Amino acid sequence: DADVTQTPRNRITKTGKRIMLECSQTKGHDRMYWYRQDPGLGLRLIYYSFDVKDINKGEISDGYSVSRQAQAKFSLSLESAIPNQTALYFCATSDSVRGGEKLFFGSGTQLSVL
Amino acid sequence: TQLLEQSPQFLSIQEGENLTVYCNSSSVFSSLQWYRQEPGEGPVLLVTVVTGGEVKKLKRLTFQFGDARKDSSLHITAAQPGDTGLYLCAGAGGSNYKLTFGKGTLLTVNP
Repeated sequence: DADVTQTPRNRITKTGKRIMLECSQTKGHDRMYWYRQDPGLGLRLIYYSFDVKDINKGEISDGYSVSRQAQAKFSLSLESAIPNQTALYFCATSDSVRGGEKLFFGSGTQLSVL
Repeated sequence: TQLLEQSPQFLSIQEGENLTVYCNSSSVFSSLQWYRQEPGEGPVLLVTVVTGGEVKKLKRLTFQFGDARKDSSLHITAAQPGDTGLYLCAGAGGSNYKLTFGKGTLLTVNP
């Protein structure tokens, strides 16, 4: 089984709909992250959480919200989806190592907003 | 804002050739990481370099961190089709948990 599991793997939705992407991990890491990946733009950080009671905005948090339900679960919500939120979304956990965080990524959720 | 520029953006080569991809910035990073991402999967960490001038080898892959800690390179010797993927560099600045990612180099190694 994957250490970082994202559901669903693919999602098609319509403009204005609320959707939730879920992430669970079995690595026992405290830190969890949500990134989006767009062709030509690389990976950009949406939100991150260092423990259950800690939530922090990343560089592109507008239009998104998150919930850290437990150490192992971190969900991303789009309150009212819009087409430019069409992207590949990744959840990641991290283990602090010398020189920075070692990120472990899930397999991603491809989201299409029509 | 710290930016990382990766070059080339796309690279298509034949099996057995050597190649180098670059990751450059005007900012100093405390460390730099390289990830490889295969289609349909998330990025996987290959290496972290911390010290200016540091060289690390991972089988046929050689990673170097610039002396000034502003740039890095990845050299692959005798590339194989299994090396195909998107190579991403990521720099850690003052806050090590907030990585800045480059846009990636998409490498295709043809049999």
